[in-house]
Amino acid sequence: GDSVTQMEGPVTLSEEAFLTINCTYTATGYPSLFWYVQYPGEGLQLLLKATKADDKGSNKGFEATYRKETTSFHLEKGSVQVSDSAVYFCALKQGNQGGKLIFGQGTELSVKP
Amino acid sequence: DAMVIQNPRYQVTQFGKPVTLSCSQTLNHNVMYWYQQKSSQAPKLLFHYYDKDFNNEADTPDNFQSRRPNTSFCFLDIRSPGLGDAAMYLCATSRGQGGGSEQFFGPGTRLTVL
Repeated sequence: GDSVTQMEGPVTLSEEAFLTINCTYTATGYPSLFWYVQYPGEGLQLLLKATKADDKGSNKGFEATYRKETTSFHLEKGSVQVSDSAVYFCALKQGNQGGKLIFGQGTELSVKP
Repeated sequence: DAMVIQNPRYQVTQFGKPVTLSCSQTLNHNVMYWYQQKSSQAPKLLFHYYDKDFNNEADTPDNFQSRRPNTSFCFLDIRSPGLGDAAMYLCATSRGQGGGSEQFFGPGTRLTVL
């Protein structure tokens, strides 16, 4: 079945460092891809999405490009802030599965001042 | 602001004592989802409603049931909670089920089973 694999955390960075969180997926067809962020004690918030190959999603300085040839959707940010500390989930959704999101295991990011 | 609201935010129950978690939305979305998220794990879909149509995931235990009396409200009932049911329960909504449709999540209810 479909699945998502993320790099293991925790990832610890200094403020203003460059961030990459790797995400690869296994799926039939052409799923939509998402990054969600979860701050401590809160629900998930959509960070960005891409619905077809070569699309780039971006929001709040974060970017990810849908690469079908490498089945990847890596999350990047050029300069992280302490406020970016959270757990980041990569997810996919097929159009024919009732809207079900399949999540990766999550990557915890900790940014130190 | 339009939003997804979950009550209570924290729920403590005893082993085997039925519990109901509540979700309401002001987005007027036709699809509502319940996810279970255990500590340090990814959220896992339990079931969802498309309008009044209930869709259960194949591996959702029979102990978990849901009701959707109207568009705005959806309930998660756990008939006989076990220790393994302690988790964060997340409600989400979306307009439609298409591949690109966004799901909006509530803040979650953290369930503790004593």
